[in-house]
Amino acid sequence: KNEVEQSPQNLTAQEGEFITINCSYSVGISALHWLQQHPGGGIVSLFMLSSGKKKHGRLIATINIQEKHSSLHITASHPRDSAVYICAVRVSGSRLTFGEGTQLTVNP
Amino acid sequence: DAGITQSPRHKVTETGTPVTLRCHQTENHRYMYWYRQDPGHGLRLIHYSYGVKDTDKGEVSDGYSVSRSKTEDFLLTLESATSSQTSVYFCAIGGGDRGGEQFFGPGTRLTVL
Repeated sequence: KNEVEQSPQNLTAQEGEFITINCSYSVGISALHWLQQHPGGGIVSLFMLSSGKKKHGRLIATINIQEKHSSLHITASHPRDSAVYICAVRVSGSRLTFGEGTQLTVNP
Repeated sequence: DAGITQSPRHKVTETGTPVTLRCHQTENHRYMYWYRQDPGHGLRLIHYSYGVKDTDKGEVSDGYSVSRSKTEDFLLTLESATSSQTSVYFCAIGGGDRGGEQFFGPGTRLTVL
């Protein structure tokens, strides 16, 4: 069993829908990262959080340390949001452990 | 965007040949990482570096070696490539012992025939 589990693996939505991607982890962590991988392969960091909630534009990330769970929300989804969203956790030191990713497709 | 480049971007090679991938950064970050990405797996750490000549193994280091003789360059070498090393390789910088975001290079697609 992976230390980091994402759900769903694949998600298809219609433009404008509210989207939630979930990440659960099995160990104590010092930080959790959300990343976006574009269809062309490039990976960008969206959020790094260790408690509470962060918001950037239409993206919101929340984390519940006690429940070992984080969610990434996208409001008013758009086809350009189509990408793979990756959750990663930092347990200690500099290493990250990654989930397998959630493939999001937003149709017009 | 963080200044990270990888070369080559694509490579096809034959089993048993040596291959070196290069990661170059212009951000003067102390920490650099090499990951591989395969279907059915998340990104997996191969090796990382925490300074010039300071490197350590990741979770999938067998068959790979690294070198860092300058802050800006981190080299990944497959001494004798195997088909199981066909993958997309990403370099990243940042992070560190106190955490922080990691910034990724564009990736290198390696095919070993």
